[in-house]
Amino acid sequence: EIVLTQSPGTLSLSPGERATLSCRARQSVSSNYLAWYQQKPGQAPRLLIHGASSRATGIPDRFSGSGSGTDFTLTISRLEPEDFAVYYCQQYGSSPLTFGGGTKVEIK
Amino acid sequence: EVQLVESGGGLVRPGGSLRLSCAASGFTFSSSAMSWVRQVPGKGLEWVSGIGAGGGNTYYADSVKGRFTVSRDNSKNALYLQMNSLRAEDTAVYYCAKAQWQLVHDYFDYWGQGTLVTVSS
Repeated sequence: EIVLTQSPGTLSLSPGERATLSCRARQSVSSNYLAWYQQKPGQAPRLLIHGASSRATGIPDRFSGSGSGTDFTLTISRLEPEDFAVYYCQQYGSSPLTFGGGTKVEIK
Repeated sequence: EVQLVESGGGLVRPGGSLRLSCAASGFTFSSSAMSWVRQVPGKGLEWVSGIGAGGGNTYYADSVKGRFTVSRDNSKNALYLQMNSLRAEDTAVYYCAKAQWQLVHDYFDYWGQGTLVTVSS
């Protein structure tokens, strides 16, 4: 099983600031099959990024993904009020599918 | 518009059984793999089980293997999760999630709103 570790656990930032979220895998993620999701309280997760760097349909370009192998990053270039949420990474290159523990982006 | 609507959650005693359903619409159901993902309230996401587009390939997390069974009826655009021998640690919101492609090993482009399963005496 590929264990994903997300850091930091909580990120306290102000609107307009840049957010950098990390997702590290204990072993290489096959074909960079790494996705990022956003989840707000009381809502289902929403797909942001797949294939490590491809934005999903309708996702603003302030969200970007990068990385390969075992180190991946989600960057939000300028935080909007609606971006404060919990973010999860997920690998889908091998079974079982696994998620990271999440990073909460909160308003400072 | 893609819609995934889960049902069947509720309160069940330890050792009991429950069957979750997910009604899908707005896409070609038979062309997409489907999964169940659960979340203990206030905690992270855990993939539970997945089934390929044709229904022939099924996968399970070790935590539920031998107790849960995933199935689908492509003629009814429906996904199911039969949960037996339920334990307190199975208490969670269960989400139905659609894969982009036919294989289970994929990302999830749409999610339902979830159904709460509570296992308690």
